[in-house]
Amino acid sequence: DAGVTQSPTHLIKTRGQQVTLRCSPKSGHDTVSWYQQALGQGPQFIFQYYEEEERQRGNFPDRFSGHQFPNYSSELNVNALLLGDSALYLCASSLEVRTPGDTEAFFGQGTRLTVV
Amino acid sequence: AQSVAQPEDQVNVAEGNPLTVKCTYSVSGNPYLFWYVQYPNRGLQFLLKYITGDNLVKGSYGFEAEFNKSQTSFHLKKPSALVSDSALYFCAVRAFPGGYQKVTFGTGTKLQVIP
Repeated sequence: DAGVTQSPTHLIKTRGQQVTLRCSPKSGHDTVSWYQQALGQGPQFIFQYYEEEERQRGNFPDRFSGHQFPNYSSELNVNALLLGDSALYLCASSLEVRTPGDTEAFFGQGTRLTVV
Repeated sequence: AQSVAQPEDQVNVAEGNPLTVKCTYSVSGNPYLFWYVQYPNRGLQFLLKYITGDNLVKGSYGFEAEFNKSQTSFHLKKPSALVSDSALYFCAVRAFPGGYQKVTFGTGTKLQVIP
């Protein structure tokens, strides 16, 4: 059973460019969340997708956008890249439940984005 | 708003000694609490969680955590530290209105186990 997979593992982009990161959730999971982890910091919540819609969003500008596909996989897009966007981008998948005893989120290995 | 505080940037402990990594939280509603571990250049690995029930939660690799509602704390513990436990540890909290899964992480505590 594959866990959460992210691609690519590393990426170098130039300021002003656009980037797309991809995530396949753990089998059976239907919810995908994206996090940005700057060096030496904890993960910061970007947004979450469920049923192909953005359900929650953290304090990130509109340059950050995403998409979820019918097979639950997801993409994170960042436009007009800034040097400060350099970070490890983590995808986490989980199963949507509405009662206590729900599952924890499972994280992928992350995509290391470097903006030069 | 919900938040997590990990007051120690780094914890050093000798191999074989007990370890504690501290975490306090703030959340509206019932707290769901988690500990994750991160090795260099890797994603986060789940260790344990508190949802409800016993305040002492046991998790992976011999780790446990104690939920203290009055002190709003969820400290991570292990009776005997291993060198291989050296890593970055994150505490996280989530409230549970409406089934959403937004998780707020602390800034992390680097655990260094000294041989």
